[in-house]
Amino acid sequence: EPEVTQTPSHQVTQMGQEVILRCVPISNHLYFYWYRQILGQKVEFLVSFYNNEISEKSEIFDDQFSVERPDGSNFTLKIRSTKLEDSAMYFCASRDRGGAVLEQFFGPGTRLTVL
Amino acid sequence: EDKVVQSPLSLVVHEGDTVTLNCSYEVTNFRSLLWYKQEKKAPTFLFMLTSSGIEKKSGRLSSILDKKELFSILNITATQTGDSAVYLCAVPSGSARQLTFGSGTQLTVLP
Repeated sequence: EPEVTQTPSHQVTQMGQEVILRCVPISNHLYFYWYRQILGQKVEFLVSFYNNEISEKSEIFDDQFSVERPDGSNFTLKIRSTKLEDSAMYFCASRDRGGAVLEQFFGPGTRLTVL
Repeated sequence: EDKVVQSPLSLVVHEGDTVTLNCSYEVTNFRSLLWYKQEKKAPTFLFMLTSSGIEKKSGRLSSILDKKELFSILNITATQTGDSAVYLCAVPSGSARQLTFGSGTQLTVLP
């Protein structure tokens, strides 16, 4: 069964460093998302991506964040200068075409720890 | 702002018990409500509900939506230790149908 994959599973970085989190969505899906979950808190939406551009973003997704789909398969989230409060689990999700198909399928997540 | 509230926050039961998890929502333009199960890591999809009063069923799990009262319930019968997880309720909103999640219900099933 096709699935969303993410790498790395765990990333440890120093405050101020740049990190890139990688995702491979399900191959025929068209809509891509990043969410994060700070330990003990809700899953929160960061950004959505469709047709090679950001379609919507939350207040969390400030200038320190960027997303890219550099080729036909990968979808990346870059944090330019990490802060302690960026420590969280980051989930990538994808969904099929629009309309009534609203189920999103999640990857296993990348645990980011900022020291 | 769209809002999803789940109750209870946590629940401890014994194997064989039946549980009911609750989700209420406020959303500007309702399209559907989704239930996910989160064990160690990623949320895994359980159900999507769009129509009021129609039960969705998968094995021992079932769910129903009440669009008039703006809530949904997830029932698990004959619980097993493998059902221990956080159960998340979410609604799609915004132009990108991004999900707004509730805080989840932590279910622990004891042997």
